[in-house]
Amino acid sequence: EPEVTQTPSHQVTQMGQEVILRCVPISNHLYFYWYRQILGQKVEFLVSFYNNEISEKSEIFDDQFSVERPDGSNFTLKIRSTKLEDSAMYFCASESGGNTEAFFGQGTRLTVV
Amino acid sequence: KQEVTQIPAALSVPEGENLVLNCSFTDSAIYNLQWFRQDPGKGLTSLLLIQSSQREQTSGRLNASLDKSSGRSTLYIAASQPGDSATYLCAVRKHDMRFGAGTRLTVKP
Repeated sequence: EPEVTQTPSHQVTQMGQEVILRCVPISNHLYFYWYRQILGQKVEFLVSFYNNEISEKSEIFDDQFSVERPDGSNFTLKIRSTKLEDSAMYFCASESGGNTEAFFGQGTRLTVV
Repeated sequence: KQEVTQIPAALSVPEGENLVLNCSFTDSAIYNLQWFRQDPGKGLTSLLLIQSSQREQTSGRLNASLDKSSGRSTLYIAASQPGDSATYLCAVRKHDMRFGAGTRLTVKP
């Protein structure tokens, strides 16, 4: 069964460093998302991406964050200068069409020290 | 602003019981509602998607209903099993998905 794949599963980084989280969405899907879940809190929307551009973003997704689909298969989230409060589980999701069933990856646990 | 609430926060039942998880949302102008399962430290597994025009969806022992006008959805799990133990999340979609905090279910053998 097709699935969304995320790498790495766990990343530890020092405060101020740049990190890139990687996702391979399901191959025929067109809509891509990043969400995050701080430990013990709700899953929160970060950004949606369609047709090679951001379609929606939350107030969390500030200038420190960026997304890219560099090669038609990968979908990446970059955090330029990580802060302690960026520590969370980051989930990538994809959908075949707008407002259809969303499929999530297993997540990347980011720990900023 | 859409707020999603799930009750109860935690539930412990003996194996074999039928149970109902509740989800409520404040803005009824949604496109769909999706139920997920999350195992500890893991990702979200999609269980059921209900479009705004639908009243319910079924998959195996799971049945989800949607009453959009009252801002409520329920997830019914029949004949619960220890393997059903997980956190169950509901998420409503207008533009982005808004999640509830989840119900942590424990099914005891």
